[in-house]
Amino acid sequence: GAVVSQHPSRVICKSGTSVKIECRSLDFQATTMFWYRQFPKQSLMLMATSNEGSKATYEQGVEKDKFLINHASLTLSTLTVTSAHPEDSSFYICSARKSSGSGELFFGEGSRLTVL
Amino acid sequence: QQQVKQSPQSLIVQKGGISIINCAYENTAFDYFPWYQQFPGKGPALLIAIRPDVSEKKEGRFTISFNKSAKQFSLHIMDSQPGDSATYFCAGSTLGRLYFGRGTQLTVWP
Repeated sequence: GAVVSQHPSRVICKSGTSVKIECRSLDFQATTMFWYRQFPKQSLMLMATSNEGSKATYEQGVEKDKFLINHASLTLSTLTVTSAHPEDSSFYICSARKSSGSGELFFGEGSRLTVL
Repeated sequence: QQQVKQSPQSLIVQKGGISIINCAYENTAFDYFPWYQQFPGKGPALLIAIRPDVSEKKEGRFTISFNKSAKQFSLHIMDSQPGDSATYFCAGSTLGRLYFGRGTQLTVWP
């Protein structure tokens, strides 16, 4: 099946620093990628929809200046958590939609962010 | 507002038994209903999915039953195994966006 890779899988940073998380579709092109946030034992919350070559669409309540999303190519989207604080600690998951065929959605393995 | 309601929140089943998870939705624009399996510390993986023009879909031990008039769908796991222990999420999709249920933590006892 199609593979979506996220990097890093775990990151620990100090409060006030910025962290970048990459999401790559390894064997297919993805015009659209999605970023989710998941708290322990809770569901996935859609943060934003990222379209290649255009600005991301953020869900209500998600700060676009806090969570910067860039989708510069058909295989890569990045999420940058700017000036991270402990409350930003979470599990961030991306998904990528195949540009061709059924348009099936594939999820990455997630990135665990811990802000000290 | 939770667009997809999922129950139960947790489920304990003996090995060999049937696990049943139920979901209900309100948004009639949903045109795709996937189920995802998630293990701790991992991203969700697509298990099985159905479109609203079909009432049932079976793949191996996993079956989705879909009731369009009632706006409900369910996942049945036959012959449940300890390796099935995970969190299961149902979802509804419209315009390419997924709306997840709250999840069901399934534990299968050996």
